[in-house]
Amino acid sequence: DVKVTQSSRYLVKRTGEKVFLECVQDMDHENMFWYRQDPGLGLRLIYFSYDVKMKEKGDIPEGYSVSREKKERFSLILESASTNQTSMYLCASSLRQTLSNQPQHFGDGTRLSIL
Amino acid sequence: RKEVEQDPGPFNVPEGATVAFNCTYSNSASQSFFWYRQDCRKEPKLLMSVYSSGNEDGRFTAQLNRASQYISLLIRDSKLSDSATYLCATERDGYNFNKFYFGSGTKLNVKP
Repeated sequence: DVKVTQSSRYLVKRTGEKVFLECVQDMDHENMFWYRQDPGLGLRLIYFSYDVKMKEKGDIPEGYSVSREKKERFSLILESASTNQTSMYLCASSLRQTLSNQPQHFGDGTRLSIL
Repeated sequence: RKEVEQDPGPFNVPEGATVAFNCTYSNSASQSFFWYRQDCRKEPKLLMSVYSSGNEDGRFTAQLNRASQYISLLIRDSKLSDSATYLCATERDGYNFNKFYFGSGTKLNVKP
């Protein structure tokens, strides 16, 4: 079974702090993704990576950055946290996306509250 | 127009009922399709892929209609434990990598 592990289930931070969310997958997947999910808005893609040190902006990258130094690990960074970044953050991974019919597999999610 | 659209529901059905959801996609180049289940405050979990000929997994049947650009999920003999939000997802070719799109989900409540 695919295992995607996010470092924290719940996190509380203060406005202006730099926040790191970590994600690790154990299936040697090439692709990794960060989403946020808010009521009524569904899943929104923040950033994704299709290889080590490669990153691509998703639909809502503003206020975020990412790092992929190793294949199994994908970090999401909130450079200066703001209250509108309070959300559920979901990490996902999948096999190389030039192959079709490769679903994404999600971690448990991190509920981040910015006070 | 959104790439993938779903009726948000909720669909309220009694135990034992048959219920079906549709999900429409706007890009005819979409090539792979999936259904996910998401419980309240949990992560989405893959329920099943959707194949061109349709496929079944126990009480769940998924169908693809390319002509009308929609996929469907049929749940027979609904259980209380089927209560969840069901997300559809599509995938299509991109330049360096394929692109994945999720619907916003359809909420199902199965009542005793």
